[in-house]
Amino acid sequence: DAKTTQPPSMDCAEGRAANLPCNHSTISGNEYVYWYRQIHSQGPQYIIHGLKNNETNEMASLIITEDRKSSTLILPHATLRDTAVYYCIVRVGGGSNYKLTFGKGTLLTVNP
Amino acid sequence: GAVVSQHPSWVICKSGTSVKIECRSLDFQATTMFWYRQFPKQSLMLMATSNEGSKATYEQGVEKDKFLINHASLTLSTLTVTSAHPEDSSFYICSARDAVNTEAFFGQGTRLTVV
Repeated sequence: DAKTTQPPSMDCAEGRAANLPCNHSTISGNEYVYWYRQIHSQGPQYIIHGLKNNETNEMASLIITEDRKSSTLILPHATLRDTAVYYCIVRVGGGSNYKLTFGKGTLLTVNP
Repeated sequence: GAVVSQHPSWVICKSGTSVKIECRSLDFQATTMFWYRQFPKQSLMLMATSNEGSKATYEQGVEKDKFLINHASLTLSTLTVTSAHPEDSSFYICSARDAVNTEAFFGQGTRLTVV
């Protein structure tokens, strides 16, 4: 299974872009990168996912390097409500073998 | 995004009793549901995966006779913690996905306290 490495914590000023890095150097060619976040005492919230190309939605952008060994989640204008633990996950398997395994994530603190 | 609802949000039970937690997909058919457990200051740990109409597949180290999972319909899965003990106190979270989309959506979690 591809493992991910994330910094344990990061700080960001409100209104600025938050760039959260993730290393997944052992990722396989057909494995997707997913990002979820968990606000204290709530269930995780889906943010975005990608395979090879960069992706953007209303919440964030996902930049995946050409060799796919790392990615960056970008929150373009962080707000105080974006303070959460952000998890970068490599999806293991497909179909009936689909599984999301969570690591320790990055605690992003957005400061006023 | 799709909505997954858990019930109850929190529960307190006596040691030795059983507790059932429900997980419902409100606006999609959940062909696969997942159950996680999260202890304080730790990450989510996958307990089991269940496909509708099939027996659940448990992760290594999770007792299937203690954590009973039923996924009898495309919108409902239940987790029953049998003969609960204080060490079973934790935050239990379910997740669900349909057969088409690749993302899974999570419930709000259930805080179980065994006294």
